[in-house]
Amino acid sequence: EAQVTQNPRYLITVTGKKLTVTCSQNMNHEYMSWYRQDPGLGLRQIYYSMNVEVTDKGDVPEGYKVSRKEKRNFPLILESPSPNQTSLYFCASSRGTVNTEAFFGQGTRLTVV
Amino acid sequence: AQKVTQAQTEISVVEKEDVTLDCVYETRDTTYYLFWYKQPPSGELVFLIRRNSFDEQNEISGRYSWNFQKSTSSFNFTITASQVVDSAVYFCAGGGYNKLIFGAGTRLAVHP
Repeated sequence: EAQVTQNPRYLITVTGKKLTVTCSQNMNHEYMSWYRQDPGLGLRQIYYSMNVEVTDKGDVPEGYKVSRKEKRNFPLILESPSPNQTSLYFCASSRGTVNTEAFFGQGTRLTVV
Repeated sequence: AQKVTQAQTEISVVEKEDVTLDCVYETRDTTYYLFWYKQPPSGELVFLIRRNSFDEQNEISGRYSWNFQKSTSSFNFTITASQVVDSAVYFCAGGGYNKLIFGAGTRLAVHP
């Protein structure tokens, strides 16, 4: 089954404790991206990757890191989480670039206390 | 810079009513793509439609229809004879090559 898998689905952590949210897709898609969803703001792009070893900042990259060492994986790293990073996070992948349908993971709800 | 505006924050209708969700996409690009996604209460994001900027033909899929007008930068979504299962947050999104911009979403509540 074609899918994008994020882990964990829910996470509560404390300020400053490094964490990684994993994202994996099995569709051999080149393009992957991370979004955060906040009430009233919709989804905002954090980082995107157009292929292995190619990553770039989206609209809200501050406080986040990503890597794309393999085509299927695109982890999101929060080196020192802060309460303003409490949000719902989505990973997405698509064939080619953003002009094709995006497949989304089920989301990770992160709470930073 | 691109901008997606969904002016309707929340819409409430009674089952079987028709409802239109508005979306305006502003960009300087001549080639771009527009999307609608549905987010039901369970939280996942479901792709509904993709349209490129050169195709202004209306599209109908069952009870759903989309109207794209390049002159007004609008890409509106109509649900005919709404059902309770249509209750969700609907996002309009637009993008050129490497970045996809989402609107703030419209929450649709369909009451029995």
